[in-house]
Amino acid sequence: NAGVTQTPKFQVLKTGQSMTLQCAQDMNHNSMYWYRQDPGMGLRLIYYSASEGTTDKGEVPNGYNVSRLNKREFSLRLESAAPSQTSVYFCASSLSGTENYEQYFGPGTRLTVT
Amino acid sequence: KNEVEQSPQNLTAQEGEFITINCSYSVGISALHWLQQHPGGGIVSLFMLSSGKKKHGRLIATINIQEKHSSLHITASHPRDSAVYICAASGSARQLTFGSGTQLTVLP
Repeated sequence: NAGVTQTPKFQVLKTGQSMTLQCAQDMNHNSMYWYRQDPGMGLRLIYYSASEGTTDKGEVPNGYNVSRLNKREFSLRLESAAPSQTSVYFCASSLSGTENYEQYFGPGTRLTVT
Repeated sequence: KNEVEQSPQNLTAQEGEFITINCSYSVGISALHWLQQHPGGGIVSLFMLSSGKKKHGRLIATINIQEKHSSLHITASHPRDSAVYICAASGSARQLTFGSGTQLTVLP
C-alpha cells in the first residue's frame, strides 16, 4: 500500500497563476483533509471531505477550492495564487471522523508563490 | 474554538533522559491525537486517546479529561527521537485543532 500520496512535491508559482494539488489514498478511507503548515503556526485545516460527494470549509478556506473526485482522490485548487499562500500543504485521510480514527498524512507539497 | 497549547516549544535532552511534553486544551474534546513530524517533514500518528493511558514501545501518552491536559512521555530517549511532536484535539466539529508543536533534540 502506498498510503497517502501527493503531487507535486515542490512547486513555484508566480502571483496570479493557478494550480491543482493532487492527493490520493489507497486505504479505502471515507474522510480526507487538506492542511497548510506555516512556520511558527500549527497545522490549519483548509477543507475536508467527510465522505465521497461532500466537502466542507475548514479554518482557512479563502483562496482555495476542492474536489472530491471519488473515494480515493481529493484535490486542492488555487485559482489565483498569492504570496500569502506560500506554505507546506499536507493531505490526510482517516477511516472516518477524528473522534475515533487516527489520520494518515501524505508527504507534503512545498509551494512558493513569488 | 478550541485552543491547544503545547509546552515546551523547544526541548534539548541528553540521550537516555526521560522526556515529557505537555498539551492543554480549552474546551471539551472527544479525542486527543499525538503526532510526530520527522526532520524530513513527514507526519505520522503516534497515539489517539480519549481517556487513561496508552503505551507503544518507549512512548507513553496520558490524558486527564477533567484537567483538559495530556502528556507525551519518552523513556530512555535516543537521538532518533529528535523530531517535532504535535498534539491535536478532536472537538465537536470532528476536525482537529493542532498545537504549534514541540521541537525535541536528543543529543548523543
